[in-house]
Amino acid sequence: SQQGEEDPQALSIQEGENATMNCSYKTSINNLQWYRQNSGRGLVHLILIRSNEREKHSGRLRVTLDTSKKSSSLLITASRAADTASYFCATLNNNDMRFGAGTRLTVKP
Amino acid sequence: EAGVAQSPRYKIIEKRQSVAFWCNPISGHATLYWYQQILGQGPKLLIQFQNNGVVDDSQLPKDRFSAERLKGVDSTLKIQPAKLEDSAVYLCASSLWTIANYGYTFGSGTRLTVV
Repeated sequence: SQQGEEDPQALSIQEGENATMNCSYKTSINNLQWYRQNSGRGLVHLILIRSNEREKHSGRLRVTLDTSKKSSSLLITASRAADTASYFCATLNNNDMRFGAGTRLTVKP
Repeated sequence: EAGVAQSPRYKIIEKRQSVAFWCNPISGHATLYWYQQILGQGPKLLIQFQNNGVVDDSQLPKDRFSAERLKGVDSTLKIQPAKLEDSAVYLCASSLWTIANYGYTFGSGTRLTVV
């Protein structure tokens, strides 16, 4: 069974705009990770945030984590057409890593 | 560094046939995972190996799926006999540690179509 739930399921924006995706989960976690998947390809690790961290940045990516609400958000700033992909959150609880169903992001040029 | 290698990239079989997938993880990665990703869903863990031992296979349909990781390096996942609902992408991933302070590295996957 899947642990995380991403919201929205699909998001369409114009190039240059910011994209925000949310993830909610149910159990306690060691860390939460975000992955990107281009159509027909494997998943690419984007960023990892530990349970004792609240915010993390990597290039145009900003991730927040609120363990009291069991939620995380991924912000992509100044989006590009190449950011078009599906984005998945994954939660790690001891040895158990569970993925959500993903947000399908489309960035129009 | 070389990524996670998987083969074949695509496979089409008829139901009740058998099929096998192969994965070669990143050198030095002790932990290896097989995930099943059905179209429109997130990946679901099938089995996790630490070196050549099974850590978690609770979601592996053991009546038809089997996996092994001989010598703690390469791994094979087998389905016998296949059902229509097994149509999915089978992803292999590896990581340095069981409790991941690092992200997983995924292969490109094998897309299986059962007809």
